[in-house]
Amino acid sequence: SQQGEEDPQALSIQEGENATMNCSYKTSINNLQWYRQNSGRGLVHLILIRSNEREKHSGRLRVTLDTSKKSSSLLITASRAADTASYFCATTWNDYKLSFGAGTTVTVRA
Amino acid sequence: EPEVTQTPSHQVTQMGQEVILRCVPISNHLYFYWYRQILGQKVEFLVSFYNNEISEKSEIFDDQFSVERPDGSNFTLKIRSTKLEDSAMYFCASSDQHSNQPQHFGDGTRLSIL
Repeated sequence: SQQGEEDPQALSIQEGENATMNCSYKTSINNLQWYRQNSGRGLVHLILIRSNEREKHSGRLRVTLDTSKKSSSLLITASRAADTASYFCATTWNDYKLSFGAGTTVTVRA
Repeated sequence: EPEVTQTPSHQVTQMGQEVILRCVPISNHLYFYWYRQILGQKVEFLVSFYNNEISEKSEIFDDQFSVERPDGSNFTLKIRSTKLEDSAMYFCASSDQHSNQPQHFGDGTRLSIL
């Protein structure tokens, strides 16, 4: 299985602080994607990073990818209460189906 | 912004009954997927669909499952004879390309089997 695994499982931070979560995977990938899931809702796509890319930014989000270590990180800067959610990494290979990790639950305290 | 829509949001069904979950993918997308998430577990891939046929399916997607695109807009997942262990959130997703494009998810259907 090439499933991503997130670390930590849960993260609690104060509003305004940065949140960092990591994802490790097992096999080669085409790309790695990060998704957010608010309680009881669907998965919202955040960022896609291709295997030949090392870093991507989108607003307050920064994603890095290290294919030699088979790992990725998601940084959320200046967190807000609305960032409270579960965050999942997912990888694709030649079959293009998404293989998800178990997720990191982020709680942002006001 | 275009969205993937799923109906119903919650479906309660007796064990052994057939259930059909419905999805309307984003209109110009060509690739369609079903995933499920059992409570407290990872999101799992079920099946992908392109050009009116299944392109890949997982071990979960056995003979009890089928997918169909009955018209130009709907994409359905049918479970023929539901089991207790089919209780889960079922997510539909679509993308406009297979490679290096994000998949856009609906809000899911919560399926409860009694």
